[in-house]
Amino acid sequence: GAGVSQSPSNKVTEKGKDVELRCDPISGHTALYWYRQRLGQGLEFLIYFQGNSAPDKSGLPSDRFSAERTGESVSTLTIQRTQQEDSAVYLCASSLESQGEAFFGQGTRLTVV
Amino acid sequence: AQSVTQLDSQVPVFEEAPVELRCNYSSSVSVYLFWYVQYPNQGLQLLLKYLSGSTLVKGINGFEAEFNKSQTSFHLRKPSVHISDTAEYFCAVSAPSGNTGKLIFGQGTTLQVKP
Repeated sequence: GAGVSQSPSNKVTEKGKDVELRCDPISGHTALYWYRQRLGQGLEFLIYFQGNSAPDKSGLPSDRFSAERTGESVSTLTIQRTQQEDSAVYLCASSLESQGEAFFGQGTRLTVV
Repeated sequence: AQSVTQLDSQVPVFEEAPVELRCNYSSSVSVYLFWYVQYPNQGLQLLLKYLSGSTLVKGINGFEAEFNKSQTSFHLRKPSVHISDTAEYFCAVSAPSGNTGKLIFGQGTTLQVKP
């Protein structure tokens, strides 16, 4: 597609359940980012994939969070044993490294009840 | 590692007045700098970017920003704001190479334009 696509757009889950969020980047973009945005807050960096390099996982808040990316295509962010504090909008973005500009998806709004 | 500080969490301003949203960054290497805007209940979109060259960068909707390397700043300005400019504005920094290229955002500045 023309832009970054995220699914689902909304997800309500029970505390303790696992969730998987999906991101389809713009075709050809080598870099992919995940961010978390809590209500009224800024963007919290989670993880960054760049080509075939090892991902930068320095922003993942705990070992309940993990992410994978297959080549330069789809990425999934998995949150295990969800907690109420995980409630947020999870944003994905992709970019061509040489240009630096990141294009954002519309996000997945996760609500843990 | 890079970091970004947006000095004002909220900036109230009257319509047609000028505005400046402040951004300072920290980095040990050369950087790319960005301003993004998030309108209410919408996704982020790029306002403008500095990659290299002229330090004065013009973006969409009449916004501009100036890269000041000595002061490590990238302040966003608009000479006359409109009600429709009410939004959250984020400054961001990245370094151009390898795994240091992750994009780091400031905490955001809420611009409130009043009639």
